[in-house]
Amino acid sequence: EDQVTQSPEALRLQEGESSSLNCSYTVSGLRGLFWYRQDPGKGPEFLFTLYSAGEEKEKERLKATLTKKESFLHITAPKPEDSATYLCAVQAEVGGFKTIFGAGTRLFVKA
Amino acid sequence: EPEVTQTPSHQVTQMGQEVILRCVPISNHLYFYWYRQILGQKVEFLVSFYNNEISEKSEIFDDQFSVERPDGSNFTLKIRSTKLEDSAMYFCASVTGTNYGYTFGSGTRLTVV
Repeated sequence: EDQVTQSPEALRLQEGESSSLNCSYTVSGLRGLFWYRQDPGKGPEFLFTLYSAGEEKEKERLKATLTKKESFLHITAPKPEDSATYLCAVQAEVGGFKTIFGAGTRLFVKA
Repeated sequence: EPEVTQTPSHQVTQMGQEVILRCVPISNHLYFYWYRQILGQKVEFLVSFYNNEISEKSEIFDDQFSVERPDGSNFTLKIRSTKLEDSAMYFCASVTGTNYGYTFGSGTRLTVV
């Protein structure tokens, strides 16, 4: 069964304190791995897609990387406005086009 | 920037009543989805829709659920006889291609009492 596990469940950082979020996945052939940001009471907001091991994507203070078993979302010098839940999700090559989501990491950045 | 629009933002309904949740996907997108998120839990897949028919559905999407694209713009999710456990945020999403990131709407919070 395809699975996505994210760690830690919650992360508290001081402003400027860099860190990484982890996403481990098992999937029957990876079509794509996605990172989303979700603010309270809102829909997920798309950040990145990664398709193959070794690939990296960057956007402002965020950088996503991918290996054959996991992905990392690195946050460099975070600001309070980066506080949100970060969701990792995968699509498998077989079994349709649904996206399976992890439970997310809740990030709190204190000024 | 194009948006996925969902209405209503919040709906309260009596158990056993029918509800229709509405979505206007981005106009040039081809694939449409409904997901739900029970408070504090994961975002869960319900159904995908392509070329005017269901392409895939989850075990959650049983006979009480149905989807329609009644015209060229709207995409609806109907729950025929709501149960308490249907209380959740329901998100509509659309995408241009199958392995691209989704654009989600802001969701409809459904409360069944």
